[in-house]
Order: sequence, then structure tokens, then C-alpha cells
Amino acid sequence: NAGVTQTPKFRILKIGQSMTLQCTQDMNHNYMYWYRQDPGMGLKLIYYSVGAGITDKGEVPNGYNVSRSTTEDFPLRLELAAPSQTSVYFCASSYSIGGQPQHFGDGTRLSIL
Amino acid sequence: GDSVTQMEGPVTLSEEAFLTINCTYTATGYPSLFWYVQYPGEGLQLLLKATKADDKGSNKGFEATYRKETTSFHLEKGSVQVSDSAVYFCALTPSQGGSEKLVFGKGTKLTVNP
Repeated sequence: NAGVTQTPKFRILKIGQSMTLQCTQDMNHNYMYWYRQDPGMGLKLIYYSVGAGITDKGEVPNGYNVSRSTTEDFPLRLELAAPSQTSVYFCASSYSIGGQPQHFGDGTRLSIL
Repeated sequence: GDSVTQMEGPVTLSEEAFLTINCTYTATGYPSLFWYVQYPGEGLQLLLKATKADDKGSNKGFEATYRKETTSFHLEKGSVQVSDSAVYFCALTPSQGGSEKLVFGKGTKLTVNP
């Protein structure tokens, strides 16, 4: 029972490099989300998607891009890594019905040096 | 906009002590309310939820009641265990549908000592 799977679990990048954080879910959820978690700050929504081909900005989208070509996958791309993007990134998914909980992956710990 | 405020941590308790973590919210209409738990090195897991006023969510001995009049959703447990040590997040989904976006509090770290 995989749920939400994120890869990689850890990554160190140099300033200016780019990378893609992968997220896939096997629960046939329409809604998917990307959050970042900074120490003592809770989780902030970066981008979300309500279905394949549809994405929208969350609270902190600057410096990131997303795509949603299939129901299962929702990759997050960092084009020009900056130290301020050092964080733990969580992907989540949910049913498109009110009041339903989100299911989270185990996170990707990203350091920009 | 919508927001969640929860008590600052960290909270340190002895095993079998009573736990309360306060959570209040600001939102229009009737949001759905959640408590999530994050164990070290893991993602967030749903602990309990309530979707309308006066609903009580419960799971693993934890309880929280949706209080519309005080806009609160306090988490309680009568007797904590060492295994309850984790970070607890209060969250809401706004009543206007269409995305089910979660708004989180900052989290409260709980440590339970034997």
C-alpha cells in the first residue's frame, strides 16, 4: 500500500543548480499539493493541482514550477536553486470531496549550499 | 484570510500525564478542522478530524471538539505515552470548496518522558 511516494529523500544542491522533486500517488486522488516546511513555521503551500492539466499557485510559489500531466504524478521543479529554498518538501494528495484529509509523503530534505 | 493559531511549544510531560494543546482558528463559514501528527523523520499523518460544529473527532485516545462559538479545536489526551512524542499540527480546510487546501498552525512539539 504505497500511498504517496516522494523521491529523493535527501539532496544537496549548489546555488544556481536545478532539480525536480518527484511525487506519485496510487490512490487515484484528483487533488495534489506541494508544501515546504521550515523549522518552527508549519507548512506553507507552494502549488496545488485539482486534476491532470490543472495547476495553481499557493502561498509561496516563487522560484518553483509544477506540471500535472497524469493523475498519479505531480513533480516540483526548482530552476535556479537559492539558499532560501533549503527546506523539507512534502507532497500530499486528497479526494475531491469536502472535508477529506490529505495523505502525505515522507518528504524530501533539500539543502542549497 | 483564514488562519490557525496553536499553542507554542515545546511541551514536555511525564508518562500518564494529561495533555491539552490549544488551537483556535479564523475562517469564514464552516471550515473542516484537522489534527495531524508528525513523528521524527516522517511525513504528516491524520490524527483526527471534525467537519461541523459540535463534532468530536477521536483516535488513539486523542480527542478534539469543534467549538464554533469559541472558534477552537483543542487536542486532549487523558494519559500520554512515550510513543506520543511528536509534533502536532492543527489545520483547517476553508468552507469554500474547490481545492481542499489546508491552512496549518505552526505545530507544537510534544516530548513525553518515562
